[in-house]
Amino acid sequence: GQQLNQSPQSMFIQEGEDVSMNCTSSSIFNTWLWYKQDPGEGPVLLIALYKAGELTSNGRLTAQFGITRKDSFLNISASIPSDVGIYFCARWLQGGSEKLVFGKGTKLTVNP
Amino acid sequence: DAGVTQSPTHLIKTRGQQVTLRCSPKSGHDTVSWYQQALGQGPQFIFQYYEEEERQRGNFPDRFSGHQFPNYSSELNVNALLLGDSALYLCASSIQGAGGFYTFGSGTRLTVV
Repeated sequence: GQQLNQSPQSMFIQEGEDVSMNCTSSSIFNTWLWYKQDPGEGPVLLIALYKAGELTSNGRLTAQFGITRKDSFLNISASIPSDVGIYFCARWLQGGSEKLVFGKGTKLTVNP
Repeated sequence: DAGVTQSPTHLIKTRGQQVTLRCSPKSGHDTVSWYQQALGQGPQFIFQYYEEEERQRGNFPDRFSGHQFPNYSSELNVNALLLGDSALYLCASSIQGAGGFYTFGSGTRLTVV
């Protein structure tokens, strides 16, 4: 129940295209987090979601907390070369815990 | 304002050896968490230090230990290294009780041969 399943595992797209990736779990969660990891760097928080059905944007990024509370998706519009990296979904292990559980990530490659 | 600083950036060790990794948290942060990221995987929680004590621990053996100093900096020690310990070790700092939102360092790449 703790595992987060991300898909797709990798994506190869052309600059300017839109991207969609998602994350699912068999358990219900109260928070979804989306991180990006650039090559050679640590993960950076992109978006945090706190309520079922919540839709939140951060520039060209949009993320939604699924109604069932078991999934979330992340969209990137009009991709640019600097969008290259690995995108992780994550959740807190349990209420009040500050331990994060991460998915395995979606690796994005953007061809100029 | 410096973020999270980790050292060294890379190192190579031999099986059976011991290693110490270091982390300086972001200014104003008092909590340090360590994560292990194997190749092609997401980071996995090792443990968290606050007020110089280990507060939470993930599913890692006792070979993994740590320390936090009065200035909030932290060390991760791994004894009796195994080939499977090869990974990127990430340090993340946060403010205790502030929702746990981390600032991650760039990591230490450990290779065990």
